[in-house]
Amino acid sequence: RKEVEQDPGPFNVPEGATVAFNCTYSNSASQSFFWYRQDCRKEPKLLMSVYSSGNEDGRFTAQLNRASQYISLLIRDSKLSDSATYLCAVSSSGGSYIPTFGRGTSLIVHP
Amino acid sequence: GAVVSQHPSRVICKSGTSVKIECRSLDFQATTMFWYRQFPKQSLMLMATSNEGSKATYEQGVEKDKFLINHASLTLSTLTVTSAHPEDSSFYICSARKLAGGSYEQYFGPGTRLTVT
Repeated sequence: RKEVEQDPGPFNVPEGATVAFNCTYSNSASQSFFWYRQDCRKEPKLLMSVYSSGNEDGRFTAQLNRASQYISLLIRDSKLSDSATYLCAVSSSGGSYIPTFGRGTSLIVHP
Repeated sequence: GAVVSQHPSRVICKSGTSVKIECRSLDFQATTMFWYRQFPKQSLMLMATSNEGSKATYEQGVEKDKFLINHASLTLSTLTVTSAHPEDSSFYICSARKLAGGSYEQYFGPGTRLTVT
């Protein structure tokens, strides 16, 4: 089993839709969780850290489920500009906090 | 946030030559930087962890004599691809780690697209 797994998609949604991605991790000692956004042929950009209590930033909501070992990203009112690949990253102190990245989930928002 | 620069953004070189890529953290000091490689539609593959003032730690399967890493200051790490071959053509991305809010956040440079002919 891979350390961090994501459904590669693509997820095709219309503008205005709500879409959610999950990311599962295998290391139960994982402590830090992040979502990154990567546009085609560009570097990943940190979208948000994921806190135990969950956190929200505008249209984006991140949740952590430790019992089932996954994190989620919810995007409300999707915009065309949200089209990108969303990478999750997980790290632990045992791994010197070096994050392991998932393969990414591709999102395509269409008019 | 934080700003990480990478230079060059794109390079084309001939097989057998060496290419140096620079990664700089512009607004913070980074004791640890990372070098990744990404092939089309693939995930980021960690190549090595670059530690300021000490030797880099390479991931399994990455040749340290081929991918030379130097982290001479708190804001600069360099990756030199020696004796490049066409199969080394890839997107090379560095990142710098910053302690924020009790956890480490990673900020990526814009990447270097290497093409070896």
